[in-house]
Amino acid sequence: KAGVTQTPRYLIKTRGQQVTLSCSPISGHRSVSWYQQTPGQGLQFLFEYFSETQRNKGNFPGRFSGRQFSNSRSEMNVSTLELGDSALYLCASKRGQPNTGELFFGEGSRLTVL
Amino acid sequence: GESVGLHLPTLSVQEGDNSIINCAYSNSASDYFIWYKQESGKGPQFIIDIRSNMDKRQGQRVTVLLNKTVKHLSLQIAATQPGDSAVYFCAENTGGFKTIFGAGTRLFVKA
Repeated sequence: KAGVTQTPRYLIKTRGQQVTLSCSPISGHRSVSWYQQTPGQGLQFLFEYFSETQRNKGNFPGRFSGRQFSNSRSEMNVSTLELGDSALYLCASKRGQPNTGELFFGEGSRLTVL
Repeated sequence: GESVGLHLPTLSVQEGDNSIINCAYSNSASDYFIWYKQESGKGPQFIIDIRSNMDKRQGQRVTVLLNKTVKHLSLQIAATQPGDSAVYFCAENTGGFKTIFGAGTRLFVKA
């Protein structure tokens, strides 16, 4: 069974640009969550999607957005990039039941903003 | 606000010794807790979980202890091996659709 796949793995952008990251969950998993991980920090929750609906959102500015498609694949977008957006962006999937079950993570998309 | 924190950012242990990684959580309503391990260049990987109706759960070489009175969680690794070197995160499931992670503890295993 294929794991969570994130693309691209690495990317470099400049301030003011926008970026779109993609996540393909494990087959059969309907919930997709996104996290931002910066050096020395834990994983900061961005948002979670289920059946194309955002069910929860973290404390990030409106420049961070996401969506989920009918096949459960998800994308997140960051507009007007800032230097502080440089981070590893992790996607995780699970079957979908709330408050139970482990998250399965991809290897992340490492974004560098210059 | 909601937070899950770790007491020690780094932990160094001798190979073969037992490791204990601690975690404090702030949301007394949370009822599901998970430990993850993250190796360099990889995403976090599930180790063990525990529900609030339990105070102890054992896996293979790992044990999680939950003390709801003081809102404390710990991960014990028996006979620590070099392959256990990684960053360990505790996580708390809040409100059903949101999992909050702590800052992480880096475990170094000395040969």
